[in-house]
Amino acid sequence: EVQLVESGGGLVQPGGSLRLSCAASGFTFSSYWMSWVRQAPGKGLEWVANIKQDGSEIYYVDSVKGRFTISRDNAKNSLYLQMNSLRAEDTAVYYCAGNEMATIVWGQGTLVTVSS
Amino acid sequence: DIQMTQSPSTLSASVGDRVTITCRASQSISSWLAWYQQKPGKAPRLLIYKASSLESGVPSRFSGSGSGTEFTLTISSLQPDDFATYYCQQYDSVWTFGQGTKVEIK
Repeated sequence: EVQLVESGGGLVQPGGSLRLSCAASGFTFSSYWMSWVRQAPGKGLEWVANIKQDGSEIYYVDSVKGRFTISRDNAKNSLYLQMNSLRAEDTAVYYCAGNEMATIVWGQGTLVTVSS
Repeated sequence: DIQMTQSPSTLSASVGDRVTITCRASQSISSWLAWYQQKPGKAPRLLIYKASSLESGVPSRFSGSGSGTEFTLTISSLQPDDFATYYCQQYDSVWTFGQGTKVEIK
């Protein structure tokens, strides 16, 4: 069964840091572009970052550049998102997702709340 | 960046109605378009990928069409389980999503 399982979410104070992880199983992780997508409460979906299969290309939405770092470990079938200098507006459910050509897979999400 | 414009933002319909949602890309994305259904508190569910390919397990009343910059999602006969929010997504370059269409009971 194709599965992506996110972890690492929680409550953090403004200015704090959090590291999200995403464990992949049931497919060839190293063949997929991987992405993080977030959804603020009551809002739509927003792409955050993505990383090429071998990590050689990485892209971010402007609002997280310089604060968030996406990375992957193909040997561990895992994707990560290091989030620093967190702001209230980063509060959202964060989804791990990936695509290989046309196929797209998604996780179930992990909630990040930035609040004092 | 490629912008995705989805319409309408809200749609009121009855069970059995034929429903169409439109998505327009700011530049050509070939057929790199997906459609999702999302219910409150749940992750998006992939319905259509590569503009017109039905994801495994998705009922055949859902269909997608289009290429280039104009795309549509059609539900041929709306069922009670279909009341939800629908999003389009382009994955030709870095991903972008439409604003969403909430399908409500009329």
